[in-house]
Amino acid sequence: AQSVAQPEDQVNVAEGNPLTVKCTYSVSGNPYLFWYVQYPNRGLQFLLKYITGDNLVKGSYGFEAEFNKSQTSFHLKKPSALVSDSALYFCAVREDTGRRALTFGSGTRLQVQP
Amino acid sequence: DAGVIQSPRHEVTEMGQEVTLRCKPISGHNSLFWYRQTMMRGLELLIYFNNNVPIDDSGMPEDRFSAKMPNASFSTLKIQPSEPRDSAVYFCASSSIVQGGVQPQHFGDGTRLSIL
Repeated sequence: AQSVAQPEDQVNVAEGNPLTVKCTYSVSGNPYLFWYVQYPNRGLQFLLKYITGDNLVKGSYGFEAEFNKSQTSFHLKKPSALVSDSALYFCAVREDTGRRALTFGSGTRLQVQP
Repeated sequence: DAGVIQSPRHEVTEMGQEVTLRCKPISGHNSLFWYRQTMMRGLELLIYFNNNVPIDDSGMPEDRFSAKMPNASFSTLKIQPSEPRDSAVYFCASSSIVQGGVQPQHFGDGTRLSIL
């Protein structure tokens, strides 16, 4: 079985400061990992993915994520937060074989203060 | 390019009524997913299709829920009879199956369903 944990319900950061949204996962095989963002009354938007290769993955809007196999983590980061980054962020995982469906974490609300 | 299109965006109906949610995936995508989002349970996968064939419906709550995909450009999720606990936001997502690659899912903006 596959699972994702996002240990923080909310992350608060000041504009211009770096941000980190945490994610840990559990899968039987090799993981495919994704980050999505959701704005109010909208669907989830894809930010970035890790499939294989470099552990540091760069995505949309200046976001990046670091895959750490030993810690089974895939934390989302951005060097300098914007107020417009305030939204709900979801981490998701699936295994590299078998079931194609993603398992999503519970979400982390990011609040960037001006 | 048009994204995933869901209709209606909002639906309010009384308990016991039939509800039909509709989804048009992105052209060329051959996987389609139905999700439900609530505050209590988060984002749950209900069912997904590959090439119009249902692959995994283990997330469908009960027999009151059914989903069809009669062709590559259309899918429905039906609830009959509806109950207040079905109130949620229902999302449809699509992706493409690419040999040797893993493509992300693209989500519609959802249908906010309220059962009174």
